[in-house]
Amino acid sequence: GENVEQHPSTLSVQEGDSAVIKCTYSDSASNYFPWYKQELGKRPQLIIDIRSNVGEKKDQRIAVTLNKTAKHFSLHITETQPEDSAVYFCAANPGAGSYQLTFGKGTKLSVIP
Amino acid sequence: NAGVTQTPKFRVLKTGQSMTLLCAQDMNHEYMYWYRQDPGMGLRLIHYSVGEGTTAKGEVPDGYNVSRLKKQNFLLGLESAAPSQTSVYFCASSYSYGGPDPSYNEQFFGPGTRLTVL
Repeated sequence: GENVEQHPSTLSVQEGDSAVIKCTYSDSASNYFPWYKQELGKRPQLIIDIRSNVGEKKDQRIAVTLNKTAKHFSLHITETQPEDSAVYFCAANPGAGSYQLTFGKGTKLSVIP
Repeated sequence: NAGVTQTPKFRVLKTGQSMTLLCAQDMNHEYMYWYRQDPGMGLRLIHYSVGEGTTAKGEVPDGYNVSRLKKQNFLLGLESAAPSQTSVYFCASSYSYGGPDPSYNEQFFGPGTRLTVL
């Protein structure tokens, strides 16, 4: 089955700096890669996603890049703010046409004011 | 729209007791999922359903059963609870675009149920 590895497990940045979280996946047939944000005590919520036919996608201060050859994708947050502090999960579907998701173990991001 | 709701929010069980967690969604979504979240382990899929009356096993199904008798509800049962089932349980649902690839759909999560088994 699909295996998703996520690094780092914790990340601290100064407010205004950039943060990068990286994930690798094992199934070359995967074609959908969402990122979820989970604030403390809250439910996970989708913040951005990318399909395998796209190399990069941006939404204001967040962006995701995908390298299909290397089977890795990354989340980039620029100009970080204290409200970006949360746990971020990457995920991948185990093959095209599959609605299931395999999640990484999460990255706890702390933005220091 | 309430979205995805879960009942109860908290529960403490003794080893060997049984219980059912209820998930309800009012978005007319076809797909529903049950995950467990443990510290440092991310979200792991327990069971899922692709429609009313159908269920399938996920990554960690042992010790759990599910039922989807109505499209809007997805029940997770623990027949004989064990301390290893202490976790936060999240239900999620997603819709189908009706296109050739159902992969591209956002999963909407419920608020979670914190379960402790003593």
